[in-house]
Amino acid sequence: DGGITQSPKYLFRKEGQNVTLSCEQNLNHDAMYWYRQDPGQGLRLIYYSQIVNDFQKGDIAEGYSVSREKKESFPLTVTSAQKNPTAFYLCASSRQGGITDTQYFGPGTRLTVL
Amino acid sequence: GENVEQHPSTLSVQEGDSAVIKCTYSDSASNYFPWYKQELGKGPQLIIDIRSNVGEKKDQRIAVTLNKTAKHFSLHITETQPEDSAVYFCAASTGRWSGGGADGLTFGKGTHLIIQP
Repeated sequence: DGGITQSPKYLFRKEGQNVTLSCEQNLNHDAMYWYRQDPGQGLRLIYYSQIVNDFQKGDIAEGYSVSREKKESFPLTVTSAQKNPTAFYLCASSRQGGITDTQYFGPGTRLTVL
Repeated sequence: GENVEQHPSTLSVQEGDSAVIKCTYSDSASNYFPWYKQELGKGPQLIIDIRSNVGEKKDQRIAVTLNKTAKHFSLHITETQPEDSAVYFCAASTGRWSGGGADGLTFGKGTHLIIQP
């Protein structure tokens, strides 16, 4: 099956700890994205990557970091500097890096910081 | 930057009736408008999109209309069914590249569509 996988589905962490969310795609897409979703809100872009070894900040990058060492993987680290990390995190990918290319989303990871 | 407003936040319709969700955008340079459906606990799925060179697009029971002059676009679902119940998001993008990166999709806050049996 082709698609985007995110793991784990639910994640609990103590305040002050860094945590890394996994995102893998086997669609051979060049571009990958991370969004954050809060209750009753739309999706907000955290980081995106057009190609391997390159990534750009989105609208709410503070307190987050990413890497893109492989085409199929785009992990997101939520650092202790993120003031309000509890949220639903969504990873997406698109065939090319153009932002008007269709973006396909993974199932999401719900992060709860205690 | 781009701002997308979506209305209503909740929409309840009888099964078989039509549902309309409306969005407005602020940046006249926006040229790509996708609609996503999100079921509880899942990621959004693209259901239809439209680009600024067309005014309407249909796919079976779903249609999207775009009015560039008024800067608004709408999702129309006809003959609604129970499986249409979900949260629907509109989004807009200029597709511009700035500072070495691209403008992201700007999403509306979502509409919770409830289909009453």
